[in-house]
Amino acid sequence: DVQMTQSPSTLSASIGDRVTITCRASQNINNWLAWYQQNPGKAPNLLIYKASSLESGVPSRFSGSGSGTEFTLTISSLQPDDFATYYCQKSNDDWTFGQGTKVEVK
Amino acid sequence: EVRLVESGGGLAQPGGSLRLSCVASGFTFSSYTMNWVRQAPGKGLEWLSYITGTTGVINYADSVKGRFTISRDNAKSSVYLQMSSLTAEDAAVYYCARMNVIRGQAFDFWGQGTIVTVS
Repeated sequence: DVQMTQSPSTLSASIGDRVTITCRASQNINNWLAWYQQNPGKAPNLLIYKASSLESGVPSRFSGSGSGTEFTLTISSLQPDDFATYYCQKSNDDWTFGQGTKVEVK
Repeated sequence: EVRLVESGGGLAQPGGSLRLSCVASGFTFSSYTMNWVRQAPGKGLEWLSYITGTTGVINYADSVKGRFTISRDNAKSSVYLQMSSLTAEDAAVYYCARMNVIRGQAFDFWGQGTIVTVS
């Protein structure tokens, strides 16, 4: 089975910071990669699909890149609503999630 | 407006069973593959199972294979998860989610979740 590994597990940042989260797949998954944001007590919300496509309604400060085995989610200028946990997900064959990255206030 | 509403969670005894339901509205239910995902307290997301829209192809994560059964009733716009042989490790919030092939097979809509406690 393909394993998805995110880093870091926790990230401390301030408003306005550029934030980057990495997701690595144990095998080539081409661009079958999605990113989600989850706030406490809420369901996840789709941000990015096919590694780099921005979901409708998601602010343009979010972007995704990568293919194969290494992917990144970037928030260009961190806003108060962005303090949350982010998950990557393999989106073919089985839908394995990464372990999550919590973005917290520095 | 797309809506997914889960129900059926609650307290189950170890070794017991529970059946979760998810009712969908706001889209052509039979056209979409539906999924179940869970999240144990303080833990990350774990994909459990999917069922395709019309052909009913099913797949399970190894952690629930042989214990959980997914099914759907397109006439009722509903997807179900029958859970058996429950253990404490199955305690979690259970979400149903819609997979969208146009969104690279990502999960574009989620329910609010239903809580399962095993004790």
